[in-house]
Amino acid sequence: GIQVEQSPPDLILQEGANSTLRCNFSDSVNNLQWFHQNPWGQLINLFYIPSGTKQNGRLSATTVATERYSLLYISSSQTTDSGVYFCAVCYSGAGSYQLTFGKGTKLSVIP
Amino acid sequence: DTAVSQTPKYLVTQMGNDKSIKCEQNLGHDTMYWYKQDSKKFLKIMFSYNNKELIINETVPNRFSPKSPDKAHLNLHINSLELGDSAVYFCASSQPRGEAFFGQGTRLTVV
Repeated sequence: GIQVEQSPPDLILQEGANSTLRCNFSDSVNNLQWFHQNPWGQLINLFYIPSGTKQNGRLSATTVATERYSLLYISSSQTTDSGVYFCAVCYSGAGSYQLTFGKGTKLSVIP
Repeated sequence: DTAVSQTPKYLVTQMGNDKSIKCEQNLGHDTMYWYKQDSKKFLKIMFSYNNKELIINETVPNRFSPKSPDKAHLNLHINSLELGDSAVYFCASSQPRGEAFFGQGTRLTVV
């Protein structure tokens, strides 16, 4: 099956700092999503981004499908950004579609 | 007007019991999923249903059985619960290759 690797596994930031999270995947994908799992366990959709660049407030994401990676940028981080960020890719295997997750980046933003 | 809702949010039960987790989506999606998140936060797909047909079963023990009464519902039944079944279970839905949306999760604790 497809491999999804996220880096770094852990990240500690001072409030106000910027960061870049990376997601590499081993095969062609139909789509890619970024999620934020907050400290209460909810999985929040950040971006649905099979290719190109999108921005939503302080967050932006870029996927370069031909090179099999995606980047999530967080600018001016806030304590509420803390949690685990997951990259997940959808690929077609055996005629079906499934979302395969990376192991996540745990982000801690300190005041 | 929650898009994907699952109940209960917390479930504590004794070994050997049988339990069910319910999931409903109001997005009109054709595909629904069950994911398991283990203690290390890794999210792994368990089942996928497309138009009421099971299309993925990722080597999950047959004590776990998905039941879909209609396209908007996918329930998870677990027989003879074991300690190792303790985890957070997430329901999700999407159109094929489309953006997936997750429920709030059910934290299952087997004692």
